[in-house]
Amino acid sequence: AQSVTQPDIHITVSEGASLELRCNYSYGATPYLFWYVQSPGQGLQLLLKYFSGDTLVQGIKGFEAEFKRSQSSFNLRKPSVHWSDAAEYFCAVGATFGNEKLTFGTGTRLTIIP
Amino acid sequence: KAGVTQTPRYLIKTRGQQVTLSCSPISGHRSVSWYQQTPGQGLQFLFEYFSETQRNKGNFPGRFSGRQFSNSRSEMNVSTLELGDSALYLCASSPSTGRFNEQYFGPGTRLTVT
Repeated sequence: AQSVTQPDIHITVSEGASLELRCNYSYGATPYLFWYVQSPGQGLQLLLKYFSGDTLVQGIKGFEAEFKRSQSSFNLRKPSVHWSDAAEYFCAVGATFGNEKLTFGTGTRLTIIP
Repeated sequence: KAGVTQTPRYLIKTRGQQVTLSCSPISGHRSVSWYQQTPGQGLQFLFEYFSETQRNKGNFPGRFSGRQFSNSRSEMNVSTLELGDSALYLCASSPSTGRFNEQYFGPGTRLTVT
């Protein structure tokens, strides 16, 4: 079965600074990979997804992520964060065969300081 | 197009009681998945329904059940509530079943068991 690790529980960055959130996965092949964001009191919104092809994926709200097979990673990046980016971010993996659903990481809470 | 709606948004129940949560998917979406989100366990998949049939089931006890109606609306039921069932229950819909489909999440139902 697949698994996802988000090593950072909480990250604080200054507004305007760059951001990188880490995600490592475990799976026997190339999985489907997703990043979701959850604002307080809200459901999850899909930021971006990787199925195949170009390993650098562009998403909404200025986010991008890079799939690195050699490192089993799918880190999320943003060049300049805005106060509205404060939220919880979840990385998720889906199997490319079988009948399994998404497996989520434990999330990284992002705090933005002015 | 209206998003995924969940009712009620907040619920307080007593141990031993049962509860029913409702989810209305995006119009035209036929797949509905349910997830439980807790601080300790994170996001865990409960089950998925497609065309009124349960397609996938997570690792939860039989106290957790669900169903889907012909209009794709779904309900989940938890019987004999335990304190550990306190969680945010998220519903997600997608146009079809299968891991290629992007899931759209509702705002969740916050269940508190006392």
